[in-house]
Amino acid sequence: DVKVTQSSRYLVKRTGEKVFLECVQDMDHENMFWYRQDPGLGLRLIYFSYDVKMKEKGDIPEGYSVSREKKERFSLILESASTNQTSMYLCASSSFHPTGNYGYTFGSGTRLTVV
Amino acid sequence: DAKTTQPPSMDCAEGRAANLPCNHSTISGNEYVYWYRQIHSQGPQYIIHGLKNNETNEMASLIITEDRKSSTLILPHATLRDTAVYYCIVRVAVSNFGNEKLTFGTGTRLTIIP
Repeated sequence: DVKVTQSSRYLVKRTGEKVFLECVQDMDHENMFWYRQDPGLGLRLIYFSYDVKMKEKGDIPEGYSVSREKKERFSLILESASTNQTSMYLCASSSFHPTGNYGYTFGSGTRLTVV
Repeated sequence: DAKTTQPPSMDCAEGRAANLPCNHSTISGNEYVYWYRQIHSQGPQYIIHGLKNNETNEMASLIITEDRKSSTLILPHATLRDTAVYYCIVRVAVSNFGNEKLTFGTGTRLTIIP
């Protein structure tokens, strides 16, 4: 019954590495989102996409980029990982509805540690 | 963007109704109120949403005041599995197509006491 799958549950990378976080959804949703979650700060939106090859910056896009080549897949890229990007990363998807969205579906998260 | 204010934490006895308040005094007329919860080590889970009328589903009830400046999420018979962080969110539209992003705050940590 898994609907949003994030490729890794835990990830350890070195400073300066290029890091790819993958997210796949099987619900044919138009919208996909990447958040990061840090203690005391809640969830903060990094990037989102409402169509293939479309992307929009969220509240904290610095240091990140994204790719959406297929509708079901949304990748978050850390071009050069830094220790302040150590965090829990959450992917979500949603479907457009004209009178109100019926909710996001989140993945289980990827806990990334940059050393 | 309308902001929300929630108490940082609450306790509730098992089997009792848990009432979680949320203030959103700057909400605009076409913005919805959403509630999500996040159980430890999992992604957030959608609970319920509403515009102006009270809503109920199998998980919870949502009561929105007439002036829409505040709302209350009600879990009618709380169980230990309801221990989680609960987020009250106001939807922000980003385009004329109705696609939107949700801005999460820090939520209310609800602890159900046995």
